[in-house]
Amino acid sequence: DQQVKQNSPSLSVQEGRISILNCDYTNSMFDYFLWYKKYPAEGPTFLISISSIKDKNEDGRFTVFLNKSAKHLSLHIVPSQPGDSAVYFCAAGGSARQLTFGSGTQLTVLP
Amino acid sequence: DAGVIQSPRHEVTEMGQEVTLRCKPISGHNSLFWYRQTMMRGLELLIYFNNNVPIDDSGMPEDRFSAKMPNASFSTLKIQPSEPRDSAVYFCASREGQQLNYGYTFGSGTRLTVV
Repeated sequence: DQQVKQNSPSLSVQEGRISILNCDYTNSMFDYFLWYKKYPAEGPTFLISISSIKDKNEDGRFTVFLNKSAKHLSLHIVPSQPGDSAVYFCAAGGSARQLTFGSGTQLTVLP
Repeated sequence: DAGVIQSPRHEVTEMGQEVTLRCKPISGHNSLFWYRQTMMRGLELLIYFNNNVPIDDSGMPEDRFSAKMPNASFSTLKIQPSEPRDSAVYFCASREGQQLNYGYTFGSGTRLTVV
């Protein structure tokens, strides 16, 4: 049973537009959430995170939103750039101090 | 800082053979994780070490998989015997401390193909 789900395996957006990547989780004990970005033939790299005591965290073009009641988080990228094309993984953690990852969403930003 | 170093980058082996994947974490990082990436399941945690001690190995698929961390600078993941369904990309990651806001640093992965 996957505790972290990314239901969209792929997403295409036009350069300059907003990209919205979604993630759902089932474990209410998760209290920290992260997004990682992965390019081909490389390991995932940390992008942005949010604690459960917040509902929004912003870093430049990247904003993560957390809706605890819906057990849902999203990553907004605006404006999207071709260099943002990558696989994005959502991850969640709790008292176990380890991360559970989703299956990833391939974002393609079209020039 | 050289980051997390994994070797080999690619491994092709025949079914039934033993495979050993290697990882050197970032110096000073005291948590180490082995993950497996597949198309169907994304990134699955296999095992987690803290201060060289295995903390959670519940993700290890079966007895054919074993992992060791003999010291703070080296870990291995061994599959014996290997099977075609073990084909995947295996990532090692390390972290300083136990707090989740210390994000993981991943290696570049080992792409394993069992034929």
